[in-house]
Amino acid sequence: TQLLEQSPQFLSIQEGENLTVYCNSSSVFSSLQWYRQEPGEGPVLLVTVVTGGEVKKLKRLTFQFGDARKDSSLHITAAQPGDTGLYLCAGAFTGNQFYFGTGTSLTVIP
Amino acid sequence: KAGVTQTPRYLIKTRGQQVTLSCSPISGHRSVSWYQQTPGQGLQFLFEYFSETQRNKGNFPGRFSGRQFSNSRSEMNVSTLELGDSALYLCASSLRRQGGNEKLFFGSGTQLSVL
Repeated sequence: TQLLEQSPQFLSIQEGENLTVYCNSSSVFSSLQWYRQEPGEGPVLLVTVVTGGEVKKLKRLTFQFGDARKDSSLHITAAQPGDTGLYLCAGAFTGNQFYFGTGTSLTVIP
Repeated sequence: KAGVTQTPRYLIKTRGQQVTLSCSPISGHRSVSWYQQTPGQGLQFLFEYFSETQRNKGNFPGRFSGRQFSNSRSEMNVSTLELGDSALYLCASSLRRQGGNEKLFFGSGTQLSVL
């Protein structure tokens, strides 16, 4: 049983389109992170959110932490082929043990 | 600054054998965590080592073990390999600061295939 469920599991869109990835749980986390993983590599941290309702922007990427700190979303504006990859959310209760989501595989077609 | 280094990059073993994977963290990072990644289960936490002591442990059988050395380098061992152990094993290092909000830096992983 996964603590964090991501949707959609797979996403294939045209360059220039917008998209949103969701990360949901019934548990309350002290912090939530988003990572992107490319084939043959380890995940790379994109952002950490810690406060309920927090919104962070990283260029064309917007991350939001739910008010109750149980869910999060990642919105990409005007997707580019370089955004292609596996997007993972990860939540922590305390300490350094992270629970990773099921992942969303994004393909942006030129 | 060099990133997290994992060796070997690829490994092929047969059932019943044992394997040792190595991870060198970023200089100055004292925490090393290990994760197993499979298509079906995603990323699953194995354990974390800090100051040569296991601090957290995931829900894996005792065949999975690890250790950390005084220079923060870590090794993970899997004994009596099973077909289901085939996976990408990822190591992540972090500073492990007080107050949490750790940033994990991952290596490229070791791809283990059990035949």
